[in-house]
Amino acid sequence: SYVLTQPPSVSVAPGQTARITCGGNNIGSKSVHWYQQKPGQAPVLVVYDDSDRPSGKSERFSGSNSGNTATLTISRVEAGDEADYYCQVWDSSSDHYVFGTGTKVTVL
Amino acid sequence: QVQLVQSGAEVKKPGASVKVFCKASGYTFTDNYVHWVRQAPGQGLEWMGWINPNSGGTKNVQEFQGRVTMTRDTSISTAYMELSRLRSDDTAVYYCARLTGDREFDIWGQGTMVTVSS
Repeated sequence: SYVLTQPPSVSVAPGQTARITCGGNNIGSKSVHWYQQKPGQAPVLVVYDDSDRPSGKSERFSGSNSGNTATLTISRVEAGDEADYYCQVWDSSSDHYVFGTGTKVTVL
Repeated sequence: QVQLVQSGAEVKKPGASVKVFCKASGYTFTDNYVHWVRQAPGQGLEWMGWINPNSGGTKNVQEFQGRVTMTRDTSISTAYMELSRLRSDDTAVYYCARLTGDREFDIWGQGTMVTVSS
């Protein structure tokens, strides 16, 4: 089955840039989506199709995808960005939807 | 507004079954597949499967084969997920989510906590 690997944690100071990676075999050939999940809440879509933002989502969230790594970038990090972040793809070979292992972002 | 509203928390004994509902509003229920995702305490997101509200067709992961049943009632725009022969490791928050566009989940239910304990 297809596996997506994320770093368990990322720490960043307010105002700086956080980068969260999502590794998978030839992930650059797939559409990658990113979700933010705060404690006790449901996940929220923040980036879809590698780099598009849902209506109303902050432009501080951006994404890229190439080769074996997709990246979610959070610019000018704020305290409110502290959350778990998950990447997700659809694996056509198995027709399964796969989530990454998740990354906890801590704002110092 | 577009939303999915789920049923409330459940406490079940091992071996029992649980049925969670997911009521859609603000859009045409039959236009989008509804997926189910669960999250055990302190763990990540685990995809379980989907139901096509239009046809009633379903797909779920092998792990749940024979234990999960996904149904829908289009007259009330509601999807259901029933999990049988519950075990302690089924304790989790169960989410429904709407699939759209590039196979992303754009709307999520608030989650239903299912606790399996003797």
